[in-house]
Amino acid sequence: NAGVTQTPKFQVLKTGQSMTLQCAQDMNHNSMYWYRQDPGMGLRLIYYSASEGTTDKGEVPNGYNVSRLNKREFSLRLESAAPSQTSVYFCASRLEARQPQHFGDGTRLSIL
Amino acid sequence: GENVEQHPSTLSVQEGDSAVIKCTYSDSASNYFPWYKQELGKGPQLIIDIRSNVGEKKDQRIAVTLNKTAKHFSLHITETQPEDSAVYFCADPGGSYIPTFGRGTSLIVHP
Repeated sequence: NAGVTQTPKFQVLKTGQSMTLQCAQDMNHNSMYWYRQDPGMGLRLIYYSASEGTTDKGEVPNGYNVSRLNKREFSLRLESAAPSQTSVYFCASRLEARQPQHFGDGTRLSIL
Repeated sequence: GENVEQHPSTLSVQEGDSAVIKCTYSDSASNYFPWYKQELGKGPQLIIDIRSNVGEKKDQRIAVTLNKTAKHFSLHITETQPEDSAVYFCADPGGSYIPTFGRGTSLIVHP
């Protein structure tokens, strides 16, 4: 009963490097989300996928891309990392609107 | 998502006291109001939720109340314990089906 699994848990990058954050859920949920969490800013939505085959921008999409690989997996890619992208990234999923979200334990990303 | 305001940003109480966190929202169409608890190093986890057809819901020491007229809902924790120390978030799903989160309340329970 894994729920939402994020990999990696920690990562340090240099400015300009690229990387992909992985997220998978085993609850057969339709919607998936990527958030970033910075001190005092709460959870800010980067991108979301309302259902398999669709993706949409959230509040802070600049510098990121996403792929809904299948119903289970939703990845977040940083093409050219910048220090401003240093943050904790959370993936979440839910069955449908007006249902609770289930979160992973986050990826702590530092960009030097 | 719609605007959600959460207060206070920090709440410090003594063990055994009660704690109340309040959120206001703007979308009158909202009908599902969850509260999440985030412990250090973890993702947020749902602790209680309420739908708009009821005014209050309780689960042991936690309760959520909803005032649709005033557009606010509150989390109540009674008999607080040190393990209640965490960051608490409210969320409003809004009419666009994209959850909007409050900025969080850091609850500190002193033994």
